Amino acid sequence: DIEMTQSPSSVSASVGDRVTITCRASYSINRWLAWYQQKPGKAPKLLIYDASRLHSGVPSRFSGSGSGTEFILTISSLQPDDFATYYCQQANSLPPGTFGGGTKVEI
Amino acid sequence: VQLQESGPGLVRPSETLSLTCTVSGGSLETFYWSWIRQPPGKGLEWVGYIYFTGNANYNPSLKSRLTMSVDTSKNLFSLRLSSVTAADTAVYYCARVLDSGGFAFDIWGQGTMVTVSS
Repeated sequence: DIEMTQSPSSVSASVGDRVTITCRASYSINRWLAWYQQKPGKAPKLLIYDASRLHSGVPSRFSGSGSGTEFILTISSLQPDDFATYYCQQANSLPPGTFGGGTKVEI
Repeated sequence: VQLQESGPGLVRPSETLSLTCTVSGGSLETFYWSWIRQPPGKGLEWVGYIYFTGNANYNPSLKSRLTMSVDTSKNLFSLRLSSVTAADTAVYYCARVLDSGGFAFDIWGQGTMVTVSS
């Protein structure tokens, strides 16, 4: 089964900082990679799909890049609302759904 | 489109966990629908997905205990997980698969906490 590894597991940052989170797949998933943001007690929200496509309504400070086995989520200028946990997910056709372990972005 | 999970919050060990996800503001048709769960304090685990026609695909680690179904007349889909243990304690989310070619989840329910305990 495919494994998704996120790094770092947590990051301390300040408002205005540029933050990058890496996600690695155990084998190629082409561009079938999604990123989510989750706040405590809430359902995850889709940010990025197909590695780099911004989901509707998501601020442009979020961006995604990569293909194959290595992917990056970038927050260009961290805002107070961005402190949360971020998950990557391999969205390949079969079998889909494996998530990374999460990256907590905290002050 | 909105999704709402429903079902018992407490299930006894060895019994069957049953949840329903009701879809409002849109149709089940032409989409895939999924369940994802999250144990307390832990990460997300994909449980399975089902197409509106009833074709389903399950997480291999749960496949022997899992059944998903869809009812297009009531605009809902369901999950049944048998022989539950404490390891099945989690928040269970239902979600819609984005129609982009991959299997990203664009709309989520609020989640329902299920505790397995005697």
